[in-house]
Amino acid sequence: DAGVIQSPRHEVTEMGQEVTLRCKPISGHDYLFWYRQTMMRGLELLIYFNNNVPIDDSGMPEDRFSAKMPNASFSTLKIQPSEPRDSAVYFCASSLGTTLSGYTFGSGTRLTVV
Amino acid sequence: AQKVTQAQTEISVVEKEDVTLDCVYETRDTTYYLFWYKQPPSGELVFLIRRNSFDEQNEISGRYSWNFQKSTSSFNFTITASQVVDSAVYFCALSSYNQGGKLIFGQGTELSVKP
Repeated sequence: DAGVIQSPRHEVTEMGQEVTLRCKPISGHDYLFWYRQTMMRGLELLIYFNNNVPIDDSGMPEDRFSAKMPNASFSTLKIQPSEPRDSAVYFCASSLGTTLSGYTFGSGTRLTVV
Repeated sequence: AQKVTQAQTEISVVEKEDVTLDCVYETRDTTYYLFWYKQPPSGELVFLIRRNSFDEQNEISGRYSWNFQKSTSSFNFTITASQVVDSAVYFCALSSYNQGGKLIFGQGTELSVKP
């Protein structure tokens, strides 16, 4: 299995631009999580899906952030418009059930908004 | 509310020393899972171990060992005979069925092993 695949690995964009981060979970996993990592706030959960349905988006910081999971093999996290304070590493993770196999993380997308 | 506390922000040791990373958790759930992840300088998050709340048996995997004590709500991680390659940030995390399986992370402990 290729693991959780995130793209792009690095993204540099100008303030005000739209940014889309992509994630392909492990095949067969029914949970998908989006995390953000910053020095100040550590690893924080933004949103997670179960069977493609958003379950908890209480961690999404603002309306500028949106996430979708149109099918079991693909999810996006979109920021529109982007701001410098959105600069962070964004991780996607997937799991089979919530605890059976642990959570597998992608390599992350390092976003820099200038 | 669930919470994970890793009080040690940074630890520095010399190679071959033993080192223990502390993790204290809070949860009202009786069924929960505890995890340790390693984040090396390359940035990925590597799964190390998962323990459930009903299994307090300590676990050893090579130079790594974990001590789970429900009485003190702790899940500490010990590296024996540390090596330079152990240098990384280590995260303790908690999830529970009643909280929808969300994985809550501690702030991490940055371990530096010097030759």
